[in-house]
Amino acid sequence: DAGVTQSPTHLIKTRGQQVTLRCSPISGHKSVSWYQQVLGQGPQFIFQYYEKEERGRGNFPDRFSARQFPNYSSELNVNALLLGDSALYLCASKDRDPSNYEQYFGPGTRLTVT
Amino acid sequence: AQKVTQAQTEISVVEKEDVTLDCVYETRDTTYYLFWYKQPPSGELVFLIRRNSFDEQNEISGRYSWNFQKSTSSFNFTITASQVVDSAVYFCALSVLSSGSARQLTFGSGTQLTVLP
Repeated sequence: DAGVTQSPTHLIKTRGQQVTLRCSPISGHKSVSWYQQVLGQGPQFIFQYYEKEERGRGNFPDRFSARQFPNYSSELNVNALLLGDSALYLCASKDRDPSNYEQYFGPGTRLTVT
Repeated sequence: AQKVTQAQTEISVVEKEDVTLDCVYETRDTTYYLFWYKQPPSGELVFLIRRNSFDEQNEISGRYSWNFQKSTSSFNFTITASQVVDSAVYFCALSVLSSGSARQLTFGSGTQLTVLP
């Protein structure tokens, strides 16, 4: 079975631009979470979506938004990019078992803002 | 609020040495899960282990072992007879029941392990 997939792999944007990152969860998984990993730090939680509804939001500004589609894929949008948004953006999916805390991560999208 | 501390930023060992990666966590929740993930240079986080707060039994999986001690809020990870392929960044993470269905993970800052041949 395919794992979590993310696109694009790398992206270079200019300050002030907008970016959209995409994630496809493991088949059968209905939960998708987004994490930001700045170089040299651990990942930080941004959003979680389950069944197309937002179930959790981390401490990120409103410039960050996300949505989940009927096929459970997800998009993360970041507006008005800042240099500090340069990071590896990781997507994770999880199955619907509430007792299962395990999340499966994709390879990430490396965003560089210049 | 939750917090995970990995005080060791970088560790370098010679192949076949044993190495222990430290993890200390903070939470007021009584129900929580602890995780270790491995991040090779490719960037993808690879799940290694999950422990819940009610199970302090240590676990061994091949060359890997984990020591969970609630009394010291620690969840340390030992690699026995390290190999070059173990070189990666290792993250300890915490998830609490009170985060609701989000099950968000709080990560430490990671430990870069380099195993030299």
